[in-house]
Amino acid sequence: DTGVSQDPRHKITKRGQNVTFRCDPISEHNRLYWYRQTLGQGPEFLTYFQNEAQLEKSRLLSDRFSAERPKGSFSTLEIQRTEQGDSAMYLCASREGVKETQYFGPGTRLLVL
Amino acid sequence: GENVEQHPSTLSVQEGDSAVIKCTYSDSASNYFPWYKQELGKRPQLIIDIRSNVGEKKDQRIAVTLNKTAKHFSLHITETQPEDSAVYFCAAIYGGSQGNLIFGKGTKLSVKP
Repeated sequence: DTGVSQDPRHKITKRGQNVTFRCDPISEHNRLYWYRQTLGQGPEFLTYFQNEAQLEKSRLLSDRFSAERPKGSFSTLEIQRTEQGDSAMYLCASREGVKETQYFGPGTRLLVL
Repeated sequence: GENVEQHPSTLSVQEGDSAVIKCTYSDSASNYFPWYKQELGKRPQLIIDIRSNVGEKKDQRIAVTLNKTAKHFSLHITETQPEDSAVYFCAAIYGGSQGNLIFGKGTKLSVKP
C-alpha cells in the first residue's frame, strides 16, 4: 500500500496521560498536514509541514500539542496531559509540491477516559 | 477567517435519483475546491475537485459547478446507487494559508434501494 499510513489506528488513554501518533505520508510528498475530526464534523486543520519545517499552526493547537517531522518524511503528533475534550479522530494528509490534492490517511481514533 | 457552509446536513434519495449538495465560502481568495467522500470509519477520499479558473467539471456520474461571483459550489451526483451512501464534505483552500483545507460540516447521503 503506497498511500498515507497512520499508527496506531486506535488509542484509549486515561486523562492526564501523554500520547503520540505517527503519520507516514506518500513517499514523494513534501507537504504534510494534521487535522482533527470530531463526530458529525468536518476535519479541522491543526498544523502543516513543508519538508521538515513546521510552517503553520492553528489556534486549535494548544501548548499541550506538539508535532515534528524531523527528516522531512514521517511526522509525529504528541498530546501531553490529555483531556477528555481531546477525544477525536486525528487525520494526517499529504500532498506533492504545487499540486493541491491532499490524500488522507486512515486516522488515529483517540478516546480519553 | 475562512468559513465554509454546507447544505443540507442530511439527504435521502431513491436509487436512480439525483443528489445535489451545496456549499458557500467566505474567502474570495480561495481558488481550489475539493469534495471528499467518507464512509463510516474510513478515511476521507477525494472524489472530484475544481479550480477557480473553471466553472464546471464532470467525472462520470459526478459533477461539480463553481460560481465565483456568488462564492458557492455544488456537487451533483446522477443515477445514485446504494454504494454512494456516505458523508460528503466540501472544502476550500483558505487564501492566506499554506494550502490547508477548510471543510464544511458534511452531508450524510442515504440512497435507498
